[in-house]
Amino acid sequence: DTEVTQTPKHLVMGMTNKKSLKCEQHMGHRAMYWYKQKAKKPPELMFVYSYEKLSINESVPSRFSPECPNSSLLNLHLHALQPEDSALYLCASSQERQGAAGNTIYFGEGSWLTVV
Amino acid sequence: GESVGLHLPTLSVQEGDNSIINCAYSNSASDYFIWYKQESGKGPQFIIDIRSNMDKRQGQRVTVLLNKTVKHLSLQIAATQPGDSAVYFCAEISGGADGLTFGKGTHLIIQP
Repeated sequence: DTEVTQTPKHLVMGMTNKKSLKCEQHMGHRAMYWYKQKAKKPPELMFVYSYEKLSINESVPSRFSPECPNSSLLNLHLHALQPEDSALYLCASSQERQGAAGNTIYFGEGSWLTVV
Repeated sequence: GESVGLHLPTLSVQEGDNSIINCAYSNSASDYFIWYKQESGKGPQFIIDIRSNMDKRQGQRVTVLLNKTVKHLSLQIAATQPGDSAVYFCAEISGGADGLTFGKGTHLIIQP
């Protein structure tokens, strides 16, 4: 079982809604990530937080807003999404940023998002 | 574009047989490789990793082989079981870079 916990597991939201995805890890990891995965595709990196500071934003639209309240929590705030944003959103964590070889990255089970 | 890819989208093997999943990469600066297993409806699960200064690493029923000369990575699963059915992704990290780069994935189907 993964030690990265994501909630909710499923979310259906309208294009005018504001919602949030939550991620929590208690492994003492200092790097946390958001990935987006469309059906039958590999995960794609969205954001990287290192020591609670945003270090990478892979040109993600501003309707996705990440937040790292503390070293164990990572949120993804969603506003004015489009139907094409429907996907599996994966949170991951690692001891340090991914640039360090041998730095294993652990994924949560994901939040399935449907935008209607 | 992607620097990591896979040769086959689907691989079907008989239960009890060994399976080999292949992955090619193009970035010679890649120095760390990971194999993930993703079951339907779940997140990617870490299986095994290997650094570029190694050419083989073994785990429980799994072996990863790295051939840097031809930029090829493979995952061998011994005595496959029904629970091995999943999509398998290879992923790589280049030194100093952020972000795992994933291959396209191979769907492993175990036939009874």
